Amino acid sequence: DIQMTQSPSSLSASVGDRVTITCRASQSISSYLNWYQQKPGKAPKLLIYAASSLQSGVPSRFSGSGSGTDFTLTISSLQPEDFATYYCQQSYSTSFGQGTRLEIK
Amino acid sequence: QVQLVQSGAEVKKPGSSVKVSCKASGGTFSSYTISWVRQAPGQGLEWMGRIIPILGIANYAQKFQGRVTITADKSTSTAYMELSSLRSEDTAVYYCARVPEEGDPRARVGAFDIWGQGTMVTVSS
Repeated sequence: DIQMTQSPSSLSASVGDRVTITCRASQSISSYLNWYQQKPGKAPKLLIYAASSLQSGVPSRFSGSGSGTDFTLTISSLQPEDFATYYCQQSYSTSFGQGTRLEIK
Repeated sequence: QVQLVQSGAEVKKPGSSVKVSCKASGGTFSSYTISWVRQAPGQGLEWMGRIIPILGIANYAQKFQGRVTITADKSTSTAYMELSSLRSEDTAVYYCARVPEEGDPRARVGAFDIWGQGTMVTVSS
C-alpha cells in the first residue's frame, strides 16, 4: 500500500500569510495527487487535481506543485474562509494523507 | 449539474449490517465512477471502494475486503454501500464521491469532484 504523509499535522497562521502544506508518498505516484479542503460538518471539496491543476471555481491563491513522491499545496494569502482541514489523496491505489488542520493564530 | 444525495442517518447494533444509498441526479450515471469514503469522528478520510456502474464492477480497499459490498442500480441512478459485521469502530460518516467520466482530465487522476452530503452511521449496543 502507498502511504501518504502530510506535514505539518496542524498549523496556526494569520489572515494574509502564505502557507505551504507538504504531502509525501511512500513510492512514486507521478502526478496522481489531488488536494481537498474540508470544513467541519461538510464534505470535502476538490481544490487541486493532477498535482497542479486548479479545480474550476477555486480561487487562484491556491496552487499545487510536485511530482513523484513530494508535493505541496500553497495558499498565497490566507483568507478567513481558508481555515479548514486539508487532505492530499493519491489515486495510484487510492488513499488519503492524515490531514493538516489550519487554524487561526 | 450532478448532485449526489445520500440516505439518512443509521443506528445499528454490533454484528449487524448497514446499507447506505447514494442517488445521482443529473449527468449520465453509468459513465462515471462512484467511490465510498468514510470518516470516523475527529479522524481523517478513508477510502473503502468503488464501482463503475456501466460495468457493474466493484473493487475494494484491502481493509474492507469481505465485509463491504458496493453495488449500483442504473435504472434509478443509485449506488449502494453495504457494510456487514459492524463494530463500534465502524461509527463514522460515510460519503459517496464521484470521479468524472473518462475524457475529463480529473478522471485520469481519480479526483473526486462531487461528494454526497454524508451519512452518519452509529454502531452501539
